[in-house]
Amino acid sequence: AQKITQTQPGMFVQEKEAVTLDCTYDTSDPSYGLFWYKQPSSGEMIFLIYQGSYDQQNATEGRYSLNFQKARKSANLVISASQLGDSAMYFCAMSRVGDYKLSFGAGTTVTVRA
Amino acid sequence: DAGVIQSPRHEVTEMGQEVTLRCKPISGHNSLFWYRQTMMRGLELLIYFNNNVPIDDSGMPEDRFSAKMPNASFSTLKIQPSEPRDSAVYFCASTPGAGSNYGYTFGSGTRLTVV
Repeated sequence: AQKITQTQPGMFVQEKEAVTLDCTYDTSDPSYGLFWYKQPSSGEMIFLIYQGSYDQQNATEGRYSLNFQKARKSANLVISASQLGDSAMYFCAMSRVGDYKLSFGAGTTVTVRA
Repeated sequence: DAGVIQSPRHEVTEMGQEVTLRCKPISGHNSLFWYRQTMMRGLELLIYFNNNVPIDDSGMPEDRFSAKMPNASFSTLKIQPSEPRDSAVYFCASTPGAGSNYGYTFGSGTRLTVV
């Protein structure tokens, strides 16, 4: 069974600073994908970034980067140059390649202060 | 593309009534998922379809819940009879299929309140 752990229920960050959201996972499968989603107060789920277990380089998408440490089974999300619009709940998720099911962590609430 | 479309956005119903939630996936996406989000349990996968066929319904809470996907462009999640503990936000999501780097596109969700 897959398990996703996000240990930070809530975080505060100053505008323009970087913030790191922790995510660890547990799986025995060699092939898997890791995702981060953003859920603002409006409720929609927004896909941010993806990392494959065999990808050699850490994924980046604009201000989002994924710090993937396979041996540690961690996939931390780094948001650089935080903006007020980054205030939201952030979810880490994982799926086995070919299985399609996406399992989510409990989420981390980020509040960006001006 | 209009994205994944869910209806209604909000639903308030009385305990014991039948509730039907609807979802239109992105055209060309082969896999469709129904998730439920609550404060207590977070995001739970209820059921998913691949090419209109239910692949895994192990997350469906009980027999009161049923889901169908009669064609590639439409799916329903039905609760009959509804109970207050079914109150949650229900999300539908779709993905092109194998190759997780596509990401899963979520609809805006249906906020269900059972009173």
